[in-house]
Amino acid sequence: QSVLTQPPSVSGAPGQRVTISCTGSSSNIGAYSDVHWYQQLPGTAPKLLIYSTNNRPSGVPDRFSGSKSGTSASLAISGLQAEDESDYYCQSYDSSLSGYAFGTGTKVTVL
Amino acid sequence: EVQLVESGGGLVQPGGSLRLSCAASGFTFRNYWMNWVRQAPGKGLEWVANINQDGSAKNHGGSVKGRFTISRDNAKNSLYLEVNSLRVEDTAVYYCGRVDYGGDAVGYWGPGTLVTVSS
Repeated sequence: QSVLTQPPSVSGAPGQRVTISCTGSSSNIGAYSDVHWYQQLPGTAPKLLIYSTNNRPSGVPDRFSGSKSGTSASLAISGLQAEDESDYYCQSYDSSLSGYAFGTGTKVTVL
Repeated sequence: EVQLVESGGGLVQPGGSLRLSCAASGFTFRNYWMNWVRQAPGKGLEWVANINQDGSAKNHGGSVKGRFTISRDNAKNSLYLEVNSLRVEDTAVYYCGRVDYGGDAVGYWGPGTLVTVSS
């Protein structure tokens, strides 16, 4: 069981905005500024989507944005597109684990 | 172009061992922290281990500590994961990844290699 909890699924119609939460604690998100988000299409390796809470690597559309408040972080996808249908994971360092934790993962479905 | 290619996976009996490799190209390998991350079939991502640029600092996740060992050979541009005392629950795709952006985000990933532990 991961120390970072995400909703199993979220869905939205094309063009809508959806958000994915990543709930942690004072030993991970609440203590460290760096929360990262990854997108994983079926059968492929993960891809970095957001690093250090709210930064996008080159090539990632600005429809994707990240934020953090207290012990939780969020990924927002605006202008939802069919190609966004994928699994999404958050990641943070956790001092109680002395290592990194990934979130439980969220499947985004485009209706 | 940055490329990471894992190899060494396969079918192994419980209690067995394997050595996973990750061949890196397209960048100066010795300048980067590297990670191993795994994913069991139908499950989420699990961080396994990381290693610093010269191999002097290594960290392993709790579920593999004492059984798995990360290492690297900068002369060969290669990352390794020695996996011992394998358990059925170690069955997973093992990915190597390069740490980027000045922190600990994994910016580049290999396609992964499947390890199946079964009798």
